[in-house]
Amino acid sequence: KNQVEQSPQSLIILEGKNCTLQCNYTVSPFSNLRWYKQDTGRGPVSLTIMTFSENTKSNGRYTATLDADTKQSSLHITASQLSDSASYICVVSSNTNAGKSTFGDGTTLTVKP
Amino acid sequence: EPEVTQTPSHQVTQMGQEVILRCVPISNHLYFYWYRQILGQKVEFLVSFYNNEISEKSEIFDDQFSVERPDGSNFTLKIRSTKLEDSAMYFCASSERKDILSYEQYFGPGTRLTVT
Repeated sequence: KNQVEQSPQSLIILEGKNCTLQCNYTVSPFSNLRWYKQDTGRGPVSLTIMTFSENTKSNGRYTATLDADTKQSSLHITASQLSDSASYICVVSSNTNAGKSTFGDGTTLTVKP
Repeated sequence: EPEVTQTPSHQVTQMGQEVILRCVPISNHLYFYWYRQILGQKVEFLVSFYNNEISEKSEIFDDQFSVERPDGSNFTLKIRSTKLEDSAMYFCASSERKDILSYEQYFGPGTRLTVT
């Protein structure tokens, strides 16, 4: 069964600090991995998308890494801001299930002043 | 910047009633999706739609659910006889290409469905 596990479940950091969120998956065969930011009551917003041939991708202060061999990904946030407080969701797609993605439970990040 | 829109933002209905949730995908996108998120839980895939037919659906998407693209712009999700457990946030998404080609999915703001 395809699964996506994220850790930690929640995280509290001080404004300006860096943090790293983890994602492990068992989706196979692998097509792509996406990180989303979801504010409370809003739709997910894409941060990065990576295929198996990519092992790092940046979007501003967000940097995602992917190790397709160990089936692990991380999302690193640098110089955190109060507006970074949100749920961060890892989503993995398999190329045998076109259009179907497996979502992780998300990591709830709280940035405090 | 183009965006996916959804209406209504909040729908309250009585158990057993039919509801239709509406979405307007981004205009040049060809693939459309519905997801749901029960309060406090993760986002769950319901169905994907391409070329006027369902391309993939989850076990959640049973006979009570149907999707339609009635014209060139709208994409709808119908729940025939709502149950209390259908209460959730429903998200529509669209993309230019399928996931296997790793194109972005753009999500709408969601419709909160409350079944009483």
